[in-house]
Amino acid sequence: GAGVSQTPSNKVTEKGKYVELRCDPISGHTALYWYRQSLGQGPEFLIYFQGTGAADDSGLPNDRFFAVRPEGSVSTLKIQRTERGDSAVYLCASSLTGPNQPQHFGDGTRLSIL
Amino acid sequence: GENVEQHPSTLSVQEGDSAVIKCTYSDSASNYFPWYKQELGKRPQLIIDIRSNVGEKKDQRIAVTLNKTAKHFSLHITETQPEDSAVYFCAVKQADSSYKLIFGSGTRLLVRP
Repeated sequence: GAGVSQTPSNKVTEKGKYVELRCDPISGHTALYWYRQSLGQGPEFLIYFQGTGAADDSGLPNDRFFAVRPEGSVSTLKIQRTERGDSAVYLCASSLTGPNQPQHFGDGTRLSIL
Repeated sequence: GENVEQHPSTLSVQEGDSAVIKCTYSDSASNYFPWYKQELGKRPQLIIDIRSNVGEKKDQRIAVTLNKTAKHFSLHITETQPEDSAVYFCAVKQADSSYKLIFGSGTRLLVRP
């Protein structure tokens, strides 16, 4: 089946604008994760969904960042009042439910704030 | 919280030689340790993982060893090939209720033909 799909693949916007990044997980995966990867660094955890609810949002850097998963499948990461420091690759991953299930990543959205 | 350190940051080997990358972690209760390979501009790909009740796991040319007492785990790649060139990340899952992964800073592996 298809892997994790993320759109758009690239997003360029001006400082202060609002952006939405979309993630479509692997079919049947109830767990969904957002990570952020800066150049030369490992992915950094943002938020984790189990079904429709955010089970752990401890990685969101501030209240400009928000994510939803209203039907337990597709998720949207929303960033308000973007800042240049938000520029990074935003990665989505999904997995089956349960501890120690492998997380499978999408290709990411490269976000550039001018 | 969990702290993951990865060494070396860069590694250059001759084709056919072995490569070893090591990660240390701080939380002795951590229980799941995956390794990801990331080629330039591509997604991180899971290549092997190990759980805390196992000391070693092999998959063809790739193996991972775990030393729970010393809190470190290593990736071993034998008979390296040019297509093994990539950035490799270790990760650790803590034993709390969250399933989040804490990643190391990565190792850039170059296999010289």
